[in-house]
Amino acid sequence: DIQMTQSPSSLSAFVGDRVTITCRASQSIRTSLSWYQQKPGKAPKLLIYAASSLQSGVPSRFSGSGSGTDFTLTISSLQPEDFAAYFCQQSYNTPRTFGQGTKVEI
Amino acid sequence: QVQLVQSGAEVKKPGASVKVSCKASGYTFSGNYIHWMRQAPGQGLEWMGWINPNSGDTKYAQKFQDRVTMTRDTSISTAYVELSSLRSDDTAVYYCARDIGYSYGNYFDSWGQGTLVTVSS
Repeated sequence: DIQMTQSPSSLSAFVGDRVTITCRASQSIRTSLSWYQQKPGKAPKLLIYAASSLQSGVPSRFSGSGSGTDFTLTISSLQPEDFAAYFCQQSYNTPRTFGQGTKVEI
Repeated sequence: QVQLVQSGAEVKKPGASVKVSCKASGYTFSGNYIHWMRQAPGQGLEWMGWINPNSGDTKYAQKFQDRVTMTRDTSISTAYVELSSLRSDDTAVYYCARDIGYSYGNYFDSWGQGTLVTVSS
């Protein structure tokens, strides 16, 4: 199975800060990576697919980059509503594995 | 708009089975795989498997191979996951999600609201 490792596991930041979350795959997954946001008690929401494509309706302050084994999710200017957990997930092969998550506290 | 609506919370005793439904609307049900994930309290997301609503073909995570069954009823655009021989560590929120494919991979663009399954004696 492909292991997905996220860092950090949690972070605190101020409104307006630039925030970067990293996801590393245990083998190359090309650009088969998605990012999801999950707020407490809610289902995950797709932010980024194909490593860098912004899902329709997602604010442009969210961006993704990377290929192969190393990927990043960046929030260019953190907003109060961005308090949430963020997960990466690979779809290169089955089983579809997730990172353990990064909790962003404002 | 695309919607996946899941059945309500369940409380089960150890050793019992649970069946969770996921009703799709707003798109052609047979056109996209449905995947199932679960999330134990305070934990991350765990992939369980998928079902092809068109053919009924399934693929399960090895961890659940012996205990999980995914089915669908195309007449009502609904997918199901059944987990048997429940244990306390099966307590989790179970999610369905619609799968979208592209050149190099897939992603889940719509998710159900989640179904809490509690296993307790």
